[in-house]
Amino acid sequence: EAGVVQSPRYKIIEKKQPVAFWCNPISGHNTLYWYLQNLGQGPELLIRYENEEAVDDSQLPKDRFSAERLKGVDSTLKIQPAELGDSAVYLCASSAERTDTEAFFGQGTRLTVV
Amino acid sequence: AQRVTQPEKLLSVFKGAPVELKCNYSYSGSPELFWYVQYSRQRLQLLLRHISRESIKGFTADLNKGETSFHLKKPFAQEEDSAMYYCALIGIVDGGGSNYKLTFGKGTLLTVNP
Repeated sequence: EAGVVQSPRYKIIEKKQPVAFWCNPISGHNTLYWYLQNLGQGPELLIRYENEEAVDDSQLPKDRFSAERLKGVDSTLKIQPAELGDSAVYLCASSAERTDTEAFFGQGTRLTVV
Repeated sequence: AQRVTQPEKLLSVFKGAPVELKCNYSYSGSPELFWYVQYSRQRLQLLLRHISRESIKGFTADLNKGETSFHLKKPFAQEEDSAMYYCALIGIVDGGGSNYKLTFGKGTLLTVNP
């Protein structure tokens, strides 16, 4: 079992360019999270999916960020256009649906916007 | 709203000394509390959850609803315990069902010196 897989691991782009991150959750996990982690900070939720439905996207900056989870499995997170302040680690996690279950995290994508 | 507070960004102890990482939470209902750990160059992973009342790697945490705390403790710290520790909470967002939110504190960096 590979666990949650994210790609790419690292991405450097110029500001105003678009960027996309991909996440493959653990098989059978209905819940998928995207978190943003700035240096020295804890993960901050961007969006949570239950299957293909985005049930909590209140923290997603919708003017430039978008996400999708087609068919309720893989997910992509996109930023367009990227800004310098978007430089951070983007974490994907998945879990089974029960509230007391463990969230499994991917290695993250470290984005640098120059 | 739900919030997790970890008052210490850094904690340094000597090997064999007791360690306590503090966590306080704010939530109006009955939360599910967790401790996650991130070792150097590894992904974020679950250390323990309050509902299991388990001890993992010698760490324990007791939920104190009166003080709204979930402090992580270990009687004798080891060098391999050096890592970033995050307290996390799952709370129901809209009164039940599958609409819950996993919220993290900002983390405490524990360094165990030889």
